[in-house]
Amino acid sequence: DAGVIQSPRHEVTEMGQEVTLRCKPISGHNSLFWYRQTMMRGLELLIYFNNNVPIDDSGMPEDRFSAKMPNASFSTLKIQPSEPRDSAVYFCASSLSLEKTWPQHFGDGTRLSIL
Amino acid sequence: GNSVTQMEGPVTLSEEAFLTINCTYTATGYPSLFWYVQYPGEGLQLLLKATKADDKGSNKGFEATYRKETTSFHLEKGSVQVSDSAVYFCALRAGANSKLTFGKGITLSVRP
Repeated sequence: DAGVIQSPRHEVTEMGQEVTLRCKPISGHNSLFWYRQTMMRGLELLIYFNNNVPIDDSGMPEDRFSAKMPNASFSTLKIQPSEPRDSAVYFCASSLSLEKTWPQHFGDGTRLSIL
Repeated sequence: GNSVTQMEGPVTLSEEAFLTINCTYTATGYPSLFWYVQYPGEGLQLLLKATKADDKGSNKGFEATYRKETTSFHLEKGSVQVSDSAVYFCALRAGANSKLTFGKGITLSVRP
């Protein structure tokens, strides 16, 4: 079975540029989560969706960050304009539902470097 | 609020040694508990889970028992291998519309 698919795997860009990260959740999963991982702050939840609707975006660091889920099989995380402190590994995860017994399944991440 | 506390790392062991990684939690209600593993350069993978008190989750030789009385979910393996070298995260989910609450993670290195 296909897992969570993220693209690109690596992104290097200059500060000020727009960055778009993409995620395809596991088919049939209704919940989708975006995380950021850094050495300093560990794993942080940025935003999550249920049935394509954003449920909690309190982890989004600033207005420069936005996320959309136009349909059940696709989500984007956008940073505009990007800054060097946004450099991190960004993970997408999906879950069958928000019911607590269901685990989240993670993609391999996008390693983002802002120069 | 919900929280997960993991023992401080890193942990270095010799191959075939016994492993225990401690995890305790604070949660409202009755959470589900998870262990995730992250190998270098990869995403987090679900290692095992337990959804109610006294449940034992197991996978790949790893085990963890949901202990409600001590609010713990310690990870154990009887004989570690070099290939077990990774970062291990304890996590919980509690309540409706719940998100995962992660511990800080602990790095395990296994020497040949």
